Amino acid sequence: GQQVMQIPQYQHVQEGEDFTTYCNSSTTLSNIQWYKQRPGGHPVFLIQLVKSGEVKKQKRLTFQFGEAKKNSSLHITATQTTDVGTYFCARAAGGTSYGKLTFGQGTILTVHP
Amino acid sequence: KAGVTQTPRYLIKTRGQQVTLSCSPISGHRSVSWYQQTPGQGLQFLFEYFSETQRNKGNFPGRFSGRQFSNSRSEMNVSTLELGDSALYLCASSLEQNEKLFFGSGTQLSVL
Repeated sequence: GQQVMQIPQYQHVQEGEDFTTYCNSSTTLSNIQWYKQRPGGHPVFLIQLVKSGEVKKQKRLTFQFGEAKKNSSLHITATQTTDVGTYFCARAAGGTSYGKLTFGQGTILTVHP
Repeated sequence: KAGVTQTPRYLIKTRGQQVTLSCSPISGHRSVSWYQQTPGQGLQFLFEYFSETQRNKGNFPGRFSGRQFSNSRSEMNVSTLELGDSALYLCASSLEQNEKLFFGSGTQLSVL
């Protein structure tokens, strides 16, 4: 239905390695949002993608939205220990909703120094 | 501008009790939504309010309820607590439809 599948569930990397998490939906997404939650913290908004094929960058983070608007990815180049946390993708309900999101299960990133 | 404020930060209850959690959104935000986060189920939408009206409700039993006041502050209530209700309850506010959410630090509820 409206679920978003996120893989992998866990990712362990050495500091300096790259990291990618993927988000997939069986239905077209109006938009996709990405959040980061540090251990013991709360989700913090990173970015929203709306357009087909959109690519956005934030320093070492690159976000992509698929051409068919059914998948998205977050890529981190040269990870640092500060990147540790859980990365979630989320689809908005659309329509008149303000705060109804369906979250993926998240990818837990561990960075070994 | 102050962020989303949730109280209390931690709560311990026993089965059968009820609990009320509070959330103050960012000033100017009229939308408040609530989420339950558990290791097994992840982040699940509970309900959202806008201008004191419930707009959407997630797939949770009727024991979970909420309301929003005229100043946009919101409360959620869980009655007849069960062990499985132990979770981090997150409140979020937003300014525009289908735009980014600003989350509070959450209330960690433990049901014994």
